[in-house]
Amino acid sequence: ELKVEQNPLFLSMQEGKNYTIYCNYSTTSDRLYWYRQDPGKSLESLFVLLSNGAVKQEGRLMASLDTKARLSTLHITAAVHDLSATYFCAVPRYRTSGSRLTFGEGTQLTVNP
Amino acid sequence: EPEVTQTPSHQVTQMGQEVILRCVPISNHLYFYWYRQILGQKVEFLVSFYNNEISEKSEIFDDQFSVERPDGSNFTLKIRSTKLEDSAMYFCASSVNRGLAVDREQFFGPGTRLTVL
Repeated sequence: ELKVEQNPLFLSMQEGKNYTIYCNYSTTSDRLYWYRQDPGKSLESLFVLLSNGAVKQEGRLMASLDTKARLSTLHITAAVHDLSATYFCAVPRYRTSGSRLTFGEGTQLTVNP
Repeated sequence: EPEVTQTPSHQVTQMGQEVILRCVPISNHLYFYWYRQILGQKVEFLVSFYNNEISEKSEIFDDQFSVERPDGSNFTLKIRSTKLEDSAMYFCASSVNRGLAVDREQFFGPGTRLTVL
């Protein structure tokens, strides 16, 4: 059974600081997704990481994937209040008839002024 | 930009009642999914659907649940006799799953919040 673990689960940080969220998964996968969720809202796709060593950046967020270590990181640079949200990583398990995503528990990020 | 839509946004029902949650996936997508998220918890897979049949379901998706694609556009999730523990946000998602690997990305709808009293 695929397990996906995120840490930390809760993160309170000051504006302007840097931090990294970690996502570990238990079985082989060559891709991983990061989503953002605001309270009561849907899942917004942030990053699609498609191969080992993939690195993607969007604004103050940068995501990477190490398939050998079964580890993805989401790095936050110079945090701003607008980044406050819950961040989920998700790992797919593919079949020819579709795929299912297994999500981590989520990291609730609060950026304080 | 095409998007997945869901109705209603919020459904309140009495325990034991049947509910139908509706989704309109992105028009050229072939694979459809339902997930649920109990308040404050992670998102959990319920079922995937392809070629007019269920392709995979989780242990959560028991006999009380069913899915259907009644026409060319809608994809529904029915809960026959709701329980208190069915209260959650239900998300529909769809994907192309064809050609490029990036086409396997699932796009999520806004969700339906189901409250069972």
